[in-house]
Amino acid sequence: QKEVEQNSGPLSVPEGAIASLNCTYSDRVSQSFFWYRQYSGKSPELIMSIYSNGDKEDGRFTAQLNKASQYVSLLIRDSQPSDSATYLCAVRSGGSYIPTFGRGTSLIVHP
Amino acid sequence: DTAVSQTPKYLVTQMGNDKSIKCEQNLGHDTMYWYKQDSKKFLKIMFSYNNKELIINETVPNRFSPKSPDKAHLNLHINSLELGDSAVYFCASSPYDRQNTEAFFGQGTRLTVV
Repeated sequence: QKEVEQNSGPLSVPEGAIASLNCTYSDRVSQSFFWYRQYSGKSPELIMSIYSNGDKEDGRFTAQLNKASQYVSLLIRDSQPSDSATYLCAVRSGGSYIPTFGRGTSLIVHP
Repeated sequence: DTAVSQTPKYLVTQMGNDKSIKCEQNLGHDTMYWYKQDSKKFLKIMFSYNNKELIINETVPNRFSPKSPDKAHLNLHINSLELGDSAVYFCASSPYDRQNTEAFFGQGTRLTVV
């Protein structure tokens, strides 16, 4: 059973701070990793993808991948109230191609 | 142009009824999915269809059946609806042979069984 684990939160950070979201996965052959953001009542939308060990930066977002530790994280710099949402970690392995999602972490950015 | 569209957006129905949710994608993707999201936001895969063949069925009751008339459509039929079926159902699609690309989601269908 492929599993993706996230702390459900909520994670509460002040405006302007760095929010750190974490995700671990159980399938060692996983190759593709995604972070989705989901606002209440809306569908998940992709914000970051990462495939190789290390960091990948896109604007205020940085994804970090450590395959040896089976760990992927998302950092949000200069957090804004508009970043308040549920962040879903998704993993695709080479075998199934089906994205497996974690339960999501609720992020609250307060002014 | 909406990439992945599903209808209806809201569906309220009584227990025991049979209902369908439609999904269409115009992205030219080969694989389509149905996910169920419960009240705690957990997205659980229900079905995955690739070129009209069912890839996986994750312990879903046989009251649920996917129907794919062509690779751009994947509809979800639900028979004998139960209270526990109330959830948000998301359709998604992705390319099959490029596993490094993400799944694109429809806007979701909120199903309420009363």
